[in-house]
Amino acid sequence: GQNIDQPTEMTATEGAIVQINCTYQTSGFNGLFWYQQHAGEAPTFLSYNVLDGLEEKGRFSSFLSRSKGYSYLLLKELQMKDSASYLCAVKDSNYQLIWGAGTKLIIKP
Amino acid sequence: DAMVIQNPRYQVTQFGKPVTLSCSQTLNHNVMYWYQQKSSQAPKLLFHYYDKDFNNEADTPDNFQSRRPNTSFCFLDIRSPGLGDAAMYLCATSRDTGGSETQYFGPGTRLLVL
Repeated sequence: GQNIDQPTEMTATEGAIVQINCTYQTSGFNGLFWYQQHAGEAPTFLSYNVLDGLEEKGRFSSFLSRSKGYSYLLLKELQMKDSASYLCAVKDSNYQLIWGAGTKLIIKP
Repeated sequence: DAMVIQNPRYQVTQFGKPVTLSCSQTLNHNVMYWYQQKSSQAPKLLFHYYDKDFNNEADTPDNFQSRRPNTSFCFLDIRSPGLGDAAMYLCATSRDTGGSETQYFGPGTRLLVL
């Protein structure tokens, strides 16, 4: 079967750095997405990785290792508004998006 | 601004009473998706349209139907809602289905079944 694993919940302090990990086992690989979802709202696109390495976008960076089936989302200079769920999703060989259940990130002052 | 719009944002229905949720888009995207998402769970794809071509997921109950009368609009019909159908329903669009094609979501409709 196809599987995406992420930690259920993480806590971090305002101004700090946090890394949210995602491991995947899918039938083929056509890219990995990270989405942010605030409570009661729709997911919003953060990043896309298809090649190994780090992609940086402001305070957010996303890393991919295809050989390890592993990605992480790195959030720097955490702000209270970063409190949200972060969903990892992989496109499989059929270009179907396989979703993780998300990691709920709690930011404390 | 180009966007994905869902109406209503909140819908209350009675057990067994048909309900229709709507989605529209100004992005002119070819693909429209309907997802069901329950609390703290991954979004679950119900079906999608590539233009007028309908693609149903194998485990989507027959109780769920969809219509796409034109490029801009897509509807989700729940013929006889049960208590287990209470969830957030998310509409998303993408230009195409290729690897890098991003799905853009509407704000969602939260369905409550009494």
